[in-house]
Amino acid sequence: GNSVTQMEGPVTLSEEAFLTINCTYTATGYPSLFWYVQYPGEGLQLLLKATKADDKGSNKGFEATYRKETTSFHLEKGSVQVSDSAVYFCALSDRTGFQKLVFGTGTRLLVSP
Amino acid sequence: DTAVSQTPKYLVTQMGNDKSIKCEQNLGHDTMYWYKQDSKKFLKIMFSYNNKELIINETVPNRFSPKSPDKAHLNLHINSLELGDSAVYFCASSPASGRGETQYFGPGTRLLVL
Repeated sequence: GNSVTQMEGPVTLSEEAFLTINCTYTATGYPSLFWYVQYPGEGLQLLLKATKADDKGSNKGFEATYRKETTSFHLEKGSVQVSDSAVYFCALSDRTGFQKLVFGTGTRLLVSP
Repeated sequence: DTAVSQTPKYLVTQMGNDKSIKCEQNLGHDTMYWYKQDSKKFLKIMFSYNNKELIINETVPNRFSPKSPDKAHLNLHINSLELGDSAVYFCASSPASGRGETQYFGPGTRLLVL
């Protein structure tokens, strides 16, 4: 079945450091890929998405590129802020049948001043 | 003007009770979902409705019964609550059920079964 694997957290960084959160997937066909973010005590918000190979999603300084050859969708940001502290979820939805998001386990990011 | 709202936000109850969680979206979306987030933050889909029809029903105990009175509402009723039902339940909606559609999540309902 479809699955998403994310790096274990927490990831602890100082403000202005470079961020990478790894995400790889297993799916039949060509899934759409998403990054969602969950701030403390809140629901999930879409951060960015890509629907086909080589697409780059970007938002709020975050970006991720859909790499079909390595089945990856790594999240990056050049300079993190304290306000980026949250849990980040990589997810996919496949093209077979109705959309069902399959999530990774989430990666907690802690950014200190 | 919250896009996806859930009530209640917190629910503390005893084992064996029956409880309901309500979800409403004012985005005009056709598709709604229920997800369960466990204590380790793992998220898994439970159900999905498209225009009031059930389209996704994952392996969920039949103590859980979703109901969609109209396409703006998707409620979740849980019978005979068990300790393992303690989790955060998220409702979500999307414009349609296609694979690239963004899902919009509610703030979650934290259920604690004692």
